[in-house]
Amino acid sequence: AQSVSQHNHHVILSEAASLELGCNYSYGGTVNLFWYVQYPGQHLQLLLKYFSGDPLVKGIKGFEAEFIKSKFSFNLRKPSVQWSDTAEYFCAVTRRGNNAGNMLTFGGGTRLMVKP
Amino acid sequence: EAGVAQSPRYKIIEKRQSVAFWCNPISGHATLYWYQQILGQGPKLLIQFQNNGVVDDSQLPKDRFSAERLKGVDSTLKIQPAKLEDSAVYLCASIGGQSSYNEQFFGPGTRLTVL
Repeated sequence: AQSVSQHNHHVILSEAASLELGCNYSYGGTVNLFWYVQYPGQHLQLLLKYFSGDPLVKGIKGFEAEFIKSKFSFNLRKPSVQWSDTAEYFCAVTRRGNNAGNMLTFGGGTRLMVKP
Repeated sequence: EAGVAQSPRYKIIEKRQSVAFWCNPISGHATLYWYQQILGQGPKLLIQFQNNGVVDDSQLPKDRFSAERLKGVDSTLKIQPAKLEDSAVYLCASIGGQSSYNEQFFGPGTRLTVL
């Protein structure tokens, strides 16, 4: 079974600081990778996803993530955060292939607070 | 298009009571998931439906949890009897096709507190 680790549980940044959230997964086969965001009081929303091709993927609101296969990592980055980025961020994977079921395995989440 | 609907949004019960949650997926979405999100953790899959059939319920605590999707549209998740450790947000998600490239859409969740 696959698992996902997010190394930072809480991150506090000032506005305009750069952000990098770590995500590592363990699974020997091919995976699809996702970052979801949950703003306070709102439901989970997809930020970005990687299926294949260019390992640097760009998502909404200026976020990007880089898939490094050799490191089993899919770190999330943003060059300059805003107060409105305050939220909880979840990395997730699905196995790719027949009968994979699209079942998401989530990391434990990183709670980001951006100070104005 | 309307999103995934869930009700109730909040529920407080005492341990050993029963509770049920309802989910209506996005119209036309054949696959439906229930997740449990305990405070401070990421969501954990409980059960997956494809139309009205169960695809995977390996992580569902079947001694107390049950779920159904009788007509292949909306779904209910039941806990009977509830334990303190069942306090969590219960999320419903749906997906439009069987391809692993399709995005799951999540509902707002039901926050359950067991006293």
